[in-house]
Amino acid sequence: DVKVTQSSRYLVKRTGEKVFLECVQDMDHENMFWYRQDPGLGLRLIYFSYDVKMKEKGDIPEGYSVSREKKERFSLILESASTNQTSMYLCASSLPSRGVPQHFGDGTRLSIL
Amino acid sequence: AQTVTQSQPEMSVQEAETVTLSCTYDTSESDYYLFWYKQPPSRQMILVIRQEAYKQQNATENRFSVNFQKAAKSFSLKISDSQLGDAAMYFCAYRGQGGSEKLVFGKGMKLTVNP
Repeated sequence: DVKVTQSSRYLVKRTGEKVFLECVQDMDHENMFWYRQDPGLGLRLIYFSYDVKMKEKGDIPEGYSVSREKKERFSLILESASTNQTSMYLCASSLPSRGVPQHFGDGTRLSIL
Repeated sequence: AQTVTQSQPEMSVQEAETVTLSCTYDTSESDYYLFWYKQPPSRQMILVIRQEAYKQQNATENRFSVNFQKAAKSFSLKISDSQLGDAAMYFCAYRGQGGSEKLVFGKGMKLTVNP
């Protein structure tokens, strides 16, 4: 089975801090994604990557950056955390084919105080 | 841009009964994929079922089946013989022809299963 592991299940940070959310997958997937999940808004794509060192902006990239130095690892970075970035963050990975499903991690519930 | 609409934010069903979750989408593409994902309280999103737009036959997976109406741009999920473990958030998602391979999600629907 595909395993997508997010480094933290819960995280509390302070406004202005630089925050790193880590995601690792073990199935050699080319594609990796970061989503943000908020009640009543569903999942919204922040960034995705289709190869090492490659990235593309999703629908809500403002205030975020990403890093993919190795194929299995995709990091989401909040450069200067703000309270409106308090949310659930989900990482996903998939093969590079439209018909295959994305596999998700367990999510990180991030609170910015 | 494609959009996915789940008009019912919450539903409930009695154990062992059947429930249908609705989803509509808007697209100008002719070839695409549709998915239903389940997110239980444990939080991990799990694929329930998927449908390829060029296949007229509705997808089925055990107790889960879809009613795919391409002309109406409707993609409903039917859960038969509902079980307590079916209680979760359900998300409908669309993936189109574009190179980004990203999913467009609906806002989700919370399903409660009553014993």
